[in-house]
Amino acid sequence: TQLLEQSPQFLSIQEGENLTVYCNSSSVFSSLQWYRQEPGEGPVLLVTVVTGGEVKKLKRLTFQFGDARKDSSLHITAAQPGDTGLYLCARRQGSQGNLIFGKGTKLSVKP
Amino acid sequence: NAGVTQTPEFQVLKTGQSMTLQCAQDMNHEYMSWYRQDPGMGLRLIHYSVGAGITDQGEVPNGYNVSRSTTEDFPLRLLSAAPSQTSVYFCASRGRANQPQHFGDGTRLSIL
Repeated sequence: TQLLEQSPQFLSIQEGENLTVYCNSSSVFSSLQWYRQEPGEGPVLLVTVVTGGEVKKLKRLTFQFGDARKDSSLHITAAQPGDTGLYLCARRQGSQGNLIFGKGTKLSVKP
Repeated sequence: NAGVTQTPEFQVLKTGQSMTLQCAQDMNHEYMSWYRQDPGMGLRLIHYSVGAGITDQGEVPNGYNVSRSTTEDFPLRLLSAAPSQTSVYFCASRGRANQPQHFGDGTRLSIL
């Protein structure tokens, strides 16, 4: 299993602040997915990045895939309490494309 | 849209008891999987199935059995529950390998 390291593990910020969370690996991966999980629910896919250097935007969320396809970041602009949750990155592994997850970043946005 | 449905939502067991966690999907997805989520450990793959009659082990399969008799259902069985199996269990399904994975809302299992 090729690990995904996510940082920071926890992040507590005030509404309106900006933040960036990271997902890193020692190996190259063909694509990376970002999920958000709210308390009491299952993870929900936010975005898939495929091409090195790719940038995708989802409203106030900006996702970037590193040029070498070993790392990815998620930047949130002007965070809101509704952004609170666990942010997980995941990569596909093996011939069946099983998803392997990082341990996640737990974000708390206080009003 | 039902998507992926997991039952029960909560369960408390005593050590040594057996139980089956149910998972059903109505999206005609061939691929289904079970994960457990523990604090500080993220989501870890227990078992998966690429179609009816086909199952395989994931990262942490010990203590769990699965079967896939239909496309829709993928139950997870604990034959003799242990306190180390206290966790939140998620079932997921997807279509082709490059398609997103859909998760249920989880079963919160406590083993005393």
